[in-house]
Amino acid sequence: AQRVTQPEKLLSVFKGAPVELKCNYSYSGSPELFWYVQYSRQRLQLLLRHISRESIKGFTADLNKGETSFHLKKPFAQEEDSAMYYCAFKKAGSYQLTFGKGTKLSVIP
Amino acid sequence: GAGVSQSPSNKVTEKGKDVELRCDPISGHTALYWYRQSLGQGLEFLIYFQGNSAPDKSGLPSDRFSAERTGGSVSTLTIQRTQQEDSAVYLCASRSSGTDHYNEQFFGPGTRLTVL
Repeated sequence: AQRVTQPEKLLSVFKGAPVELKCNYSYSGSPELFWYVQYSRQRLQLLLRHISRESIKGFTADLNKGETSFHLKKPFAQEEDSAMYYCAFKKAGSYQLTFGKGTKLSVIP
Repeated sequence: GAGVSQSPSNKVTEKGKDVELRCDPISGHTALYWYRQSLGQGLEFLIYFQGNSAPDKSGLPSDRFSAERTGGSVSTLTIQRTQQEDSAVYLCASRSSGTDHYNEQFFGPGTRLTVL
């Protein structure tokens, strides 16, 4: 079965420091990967997807098929980045998203 | 232009009682998903609807759980004879097209279920 692993439950960084939220997946085919974010008292929402190769709110994520990783990065953390982040995986052509258990990012002022 | 809505926002029930959770997807969205969000467990897929049909019910944890969707719109998740381990936030999401799976899933605010 496909799995998504987010090894850190909680990540605390100081404002202005670089951030990297780790995500690894187990799948031998061509995956589609996403990062979802849930800010306090808000809905879960899509942050970015690997296929778009975009930068959203300063965050980027590169799919590394060799390492089966899709880590989320930001060079300078802001307080407003504090939230719960979920990595999600989908097989190409499938409808079902498989989510990791999430990492809570806390940015210390 | 409203997003996905869910009701009730909170539900407290006694063990053994039945509960119904409702989801109103974004108008025109053909695909609808139910997830369960438990503390420390992330999001667990429960069921997927394409129109009124549920091609995949494999995520439902037990036969106490069932879901239906009528008119290609509103969906109801029913939990019979609730147990304490059913306590969680139940999330609904909808997506605009059944064929283009790149489309984003839009999530509702969730229903927090507490079984005493």
